[in-house]
Amino acid sequence: QQQVKQSPQSLIVQKGGISIINCAYENTAFDYFPWYQQFPGKGPALLIAIRPDVSEKKEGRFTISFNKSAKQFSLHIMDSQPGDSATYFCAVPNTGTASKLTFGTGTRLQVTL
Amino acid sequence: ETGVTQSPTHLIKTRGQQVTLRCSSQSGHNTVSWYQQALGQGPQFIFQYYREEENGRGNFPPRFSGLQFPNYSSELNVNALELDDSALYLCASSLGGRNSNQPQHFGDGTRLSIL
Repeated sequence: QQQVKQSPQSLIVQKGGISIINCAYENTAFDYFPWYQQFPGKGPALLIAIRPDVSEKKEGRFTISFNKSAKQFSLHIMDSQPGDSATYFCAVPNTGTASKLTFGTGTRLQVTL
Repeated sequence: ETGVTQSPTHLIKTRGQQVTLRCSSQSGHNTVSWYQQALGQGPQFIFQYYREEENGRGNFPPRFSGLQFPNYSSELNVNALELDDSALYLCASSLGGRNSNQPQHFGDGTRLSIL
């Protein structure tokens, strides 16, 4: 059973600041590592994903950093905005007979003015 | 491009009843996965369907069952509902084969409440 540990559980950041969320996993050999953003009453929306053959991927204000040897990846939100206030989930897909996602426990981000 | 759509958005049932939730996959996607998300938790994998067959199941009892249709839409059926089944049920679609790990795209879910 894949274990995914996400931290912190909650985060408060001032507008313009940097939000950092971390994720650690146990098993190896995956095709990609996604982060999802979820607003209340909505389903998770794919935010950004990285393949294990690169160490960093940037899309706008969002960056994923990946450390394969440490089995960790993190999400950085630069210039955080109040509209970024949401719950963020990392997820790890399993290889094998089913490409199911195992999700972290989530990080509730609040960006204050 | 049409995203993943789920119906109904909300549903209230009582213990022991049965429920059917529906999902239309994103245009061009042939794989559908179902997840259960309890309040304050991350989604948990129920099962996945590819080519109208179940393609892997999580730790859910047999009273959770599903179907996939030739147009790739899907149903989740839950029998003998229990109070703990109260949750947001999410459908996700993706493109790929049996062992594909293409990104999954989620609908907004069905909020199921059991009284």
